[in-house]
Amino acid sequence: DADVTQTPRNRITKTGKRIMLECSQTKGHDRMYWYRQDPGLGLRLIYYSFDVKDINKGEISDGYSVSRQAQAKFSLSLESAIPNQTALYFCATGQGNGYEQYFGPGTRLTVT
Amino acid sequence: KQEVTQIPAALSVPEGENLVLNCSFTDSAIYNLQWFRQDPGKGLTSLLLIQSSQREQTSGRLNASLDKSSGRSTLYIAASQPGDSATYLCAVVMDMGRRALTFGSGTRLQVQP
Repeated sequence: DADVTQTPRNRITKTGKRIMLECSQTKGHDRMYWYRQDPGLGLRLIYYSFDVKDINKGEISDGYSVSRQAQAKFSLSLESAIPNQTALYFCATGQGNGYEQYFGPGTRLTVT
Repeated sequence: KQEVTQIPAALSVPEGENLVLNCSFTDSAIYNLQWFRQDPGKGLTSLLLIQSSQREQTSGRLNASLDKSSGRSTLYIAASQPGDSATYLCAVVMDMGRRALTFGSGTRLQVQP
């Protein structure tokens, strides 16, 4: 089984709808991240969390919110989806003082 | 603000060739640089991590170098194979607190059999 899983893997939704993307990890890592990737661009940081009580904004947090329900779960919500939020979304984890990050398979979100 | 650039954006080579992928960054105050491989539908896989005090790292047919003062890194792939076809991303860590990654836009590699 994959160490970092994301659900759903693909989602098409309409403008104005609320949508939640979920990330779960079995690695026991304390740090979790959400990134988005647009075609031809690198990944950009949306939010990150160091534990269930520590949530921080990244460079492009506007229009998004997150919830760290447990050490193993980190969800990303779009309260009112808009077409320019169409992108590939990745969750990643990291442990303690280490620098390596471990990525999930991504969620492809299309907002029509 | 850190800018990470990767050249070329796409590359096609015949099997067996040695090749070099380039990454440059504007702010040399990095903690480390990482190279990732991205396969469609499979997320990102870490290939090599170079700490700011290191000059290079090797793993199998891959060798990554880092020249922090000039803001450059290269990923050398020896004896390329069709299975190496993927998008290669470089990323740097600027903030030891967040340890978040700042990515380049990637080089899409196609190795022709």
